[in-house]
Amino acid sequence: GAGVSQSPSNKVTEKGKDVELRCDPISGHTALYWYRQSLGQGLEFLIYFQGNSAPDKSGLPSDRFSAERTGGSVSTLTIQRTQQEDSAVYLCASNTRGGQVETQYFGPGTRLLVL
Amino acid sequence: AQSVTQPDIHITVSEGASLELRCNYSYGATPYLFWYVQSPGQGLQLLLKYFSGDTLVQGIKGFEAEFKRSQSSFNLRKPSVHWSDAAEYFCASAGGTSYGKLTFGQGTILTVHP
Repeated sequence: GAGVSQSPSNKVTEKGKDVELRCDPISGHTALYWYRQSLGQGLEFLIYFQGNSAPDKSGLPSDRFSAERTGGSVSTLTIQRTQQEDSAVYLCASNTRGGQVETQYFGPGTRLLVL
Repeated sequence: AQSVTQPDIHITVSEGASLELRCNYSYGATPYLFWYVQSPGQGLQLLLKYFSGDTLVQGIKGFEAEFKRSQSSFNLRKPSVHWSDAAEYFCASAGGTSYGKLTFGQGTILTVHP
């Protein structure tokens, strides 16, 4: 079946603009994760969704970052008033229940460049 | 807090040579450990994982890794490297939450010479 998909693949924006990044998890996967991959910080956890539970937002770097998951499927990561340090690859992953030993399946990522 | 260290930023090997990528973790209890590979422009693909039992785990593409509690290590090995193995490799751990939030190492870039 189809894997995790993310859109857009690439996004170039100007400093101060808002951006929305989309993630479509694998069908039937109830757990969804966002990570950020940047040159300076490596791969960092951002946020986790599981079913109807409150998300774990502990990795979001500032209040400019937010995410939602509608209908338990598609997720959107929003960055408001983008800064140059937000330039990174944003990766989405999903798995069936979010258990610790479950494999997380990653999408190809969205490469964000803030000018 | 958990941390994962990959001491080697970049490794170069010749095709056919053996490979070992190092990974050290820091966690009070036994963590769940993973190795992922990322090819240019691609997402992360799981190579193998360890959570209990046999400390030598086999993965895809001929990779294996050995968990050594005494050394807090989970090194990745392959007996004979192929040119297609050139990629970036990430060691990761999970634990301390119920859902497997991953903590990644900084990654090791593998270059394979013909």
